[in-house]
Amino acid sequence: IQLTQSPSSLSASVGDRVTITCRASQGISSYCAWYQQKPGKAPKLLIYAASTLQSGVPSRFSGYRSGTDFTLTISSLQPEDFATYYCQQLNSYPQSFGGGTKVEIK
Amino acid sequence: EVQLLESGGLLVQPGGSLRLSCAASGFTFSSYAMSWVRQAPGKGLEWVSGISSSGAGTYYLDSVKGRFTISRDNSKGTLYLLMNSLSAEDTAIYYCAKADGYNYGYNYWGQGTLVTVSS
Repeated sequence: IQLTQSPSSLSASVGDRVTITCRASQGISSYCAWYQQKPGKAPKLLIYAASTLQSGVPSRFSGYRSGTDFTLTISSLQPEDFATYYCQQLNSYPQSFGGGTKVEIK
Repeated sequence: EVQLLESGGLLVQPGGSLRLSCAASGFTFSSYAMSWVRQAPGKGLEWVSGISSSGAGTYYLDSVKGRFTISRDNSKGTLYLLMNSLSAEDTAIYYCAKADGYNYGYNYWGQGTLVTVSS
């Protein structure tokens, strides 16, 4: 299953609303997770089951599913949110990740 | 506290073999499926292999099938990845990862171990 993530990069300012999209090549039900990764660090789980916020993750992060399209939204971008974000499908093996979206400071 | 500690990453020649280990602690290792995820330098995340809690089920990325073998020793709380016929395309940081359940995402990751395949 291929995951097409867009955009591959974006520039935004603190306080902006940011939306990242992930489209699956076939149905994956709600088996989608989102991760944040900062340079030199392991990924951090933000969202699982398409829209469930992982414990301890700020509520400005949210996830949504519409068919085979999944979105990650950051409602008000904070300085610590500049990072790369990945979606992942856990519906079937082999599992797969999207190509990533790098969120940079404008 | 859940901890995952990978080891075994090295510089290895093309065609060579390597075994990675992931020592787990802070949870009942035998109750959880585990996975290996890799990241080539400057590239994105790539799921490599997974194993069921008992070890009876194993799963692989197509490009490593037949070359890599995932296994686990529940008595030792350790996950393994045996990698054969290595090529430059296998150069990456290899992470072991744990999810709380089938659709829970990977909420625990190790620090990663670097595998470099080069002559």
